[in-house]
Amino acid sequence: AQTVTQSQPEMSVQEAETVTLSCTYDTSESDYYLFWYKQPPSRQMILVIRQEAYKQQNATENRFSVNFQKAAKSFSLKISDSQLGDAAMYFCAYRANYGGATNKLIFGTGTLLAVQP
Amino acid sequence: NAGVTQTPKFRILKIGQSMTLQCAQDMNHNYMYWYRQDPGMGLKLIYYSVGAGITDKGEVPNGYNVSRSTTEDFPLRLELAAPSQTSVYFCASSYAVSGNTIYFGEGSWLTVV
Repeated sequence: AQTVTQSQPEMSVQEAETVTLSCTYDTSESDYYLFWYKQPPSRQMILVIRQEAYKQQNATENRFSVNFQKAAKSFSLKISDSQLGDAAMYFCAYRANYGGATNKLIFGTGTLLAVQP
Repeated sequence: NAGVTQTPKFRILKIGQSMTLQCAQDMNHNYMYWYRQDPGMGLKLIYYSVGAGITDKGEVPNGYNVSRSTTEDFPLRLELAAPSQTSVYFCASSYAVSGNTIYFGEGSWLTVV
């Protein structure tokens, strides 16, 4: 069974600094997607960034980028120039890419990010 | 842009009561999902549907039922509510292609007392 592990329950960063959130996963599949979701206090789940396993290039979305290491099954999120609005719970998630009916997200337990002014 | 709409947003239930959480999406997505999120935890899949008339169990289906009579709607029914069902419930949807993003509703906070 696939699993997603986030080993950092909480992280803190100073405004304008850079922070990296860690995520590892376990799967026997070779074709899959990885996601980072942000959950602010409102509890809404907001997609931050996604990575396709077959793409070697790391995904980037403005101040957010990932370091995808497929062999190591590692998928970290880097937030540059941190802003107060980045404070939230961040979830790493995995989704297999096969044509069956079980294309569902598997979530890690989350990392709570605090941004200090 | 409605996206995924859940109702109600907040509800308090007594033990043994039943209720239905409503979910509707206007993006013509084939796939719909119900997740629950317990305090300090990630989301766990309760049920999912790959199209109208087709539903299947996820990781934690006990105590819940679903139906999918239309593409747009995917209600979640709680029968005989128990304190263990106190949670935040998220409905979500996506296109059938697995790489596509799953879009979430805003969540429904349910407390069973």
